[in-house]
Amino acid sequence: EPEVTQTPSHQVTQMGQEVILRCVPISNHLYFYWYRQILGQKVEFLVSFYNNEISEKSEIFDDQFSVERPDGSNFTLKIRSTKLEDSAMYFCASSPDRGLSEQFFGPGTRLTVL
Amino acid sequence: AQSVTQPDIHITVSEGASLELRCNYSYGATPYLFWYVQSPGQGLQLLLKYFSGDTLVQGIKGFEAEFKRSQSSFNLRKPSVHWSDAAEYFCAVGPYYNTDKLIFGTGTRLQVFP
Repeated sequence: EPEVTQTPSHQVTQMGQEVILRCVPISNHLYFYWYRQILGQKVEFLVSFYNNEISEKSEIFDDQFSVERPDGSNFTLKIRSTKLEDSAMYFCASSPDRGLSEQFFGPGTRLTVL
Repeated sequence: AQSVTQPDIHITVSEGASLELRCNYSYGATPYLFWYVQSPGQGLQLLLKYFSGDTLVQGIKGFEAEFKRSQSSFNLRKPSVHWSDAAEYFCAVGPYYNTDKLIFGTGTRLQVFP
């Protein structure tokens, strides 16, 4: 069964460093999402992406964040200068359509900022 | 604003006992409701969803949920819990008109004793 994959599973970085989290969505899906979950808190929406552009972003998704689909398969989330408060589990999701389509989630990347 | 409340942070049940996880939502229109499960080290897996129609929906792994508009609730149930059901359960609402994001509750951690 097709699934969303994410790499790495765990990333440790120093404050101020850039990180890139990678995701491979399900191959025929058109809509892509990033969510994050700070330890002990709820899963929060960050951004949605369609047709090579951001379709929606939350207030969390500031200028330090960017997303890209560099080729036909990968979907990346970049954090330019990490802060301690960026430590969280980051989930990628994809869906074949918007609206009522199910969003399929990857296993997540745990980001630890020291 | 749309929101989801899961009143129970942690629930412990014995294997074979029945289970009900509570979810209440605040939403401006007919909600689209989801239950996701997250096993340790895994991504978010969709258990079931409600879009319209029959208010009792069946999902995978023997779970069901009932939408009650009058109570703004979408509680998850299982008649007989198995040890493998130990996980974190998230209720979510969305998408809505011009937004594709899912809004999650804080989750309920289920522990199952043999």
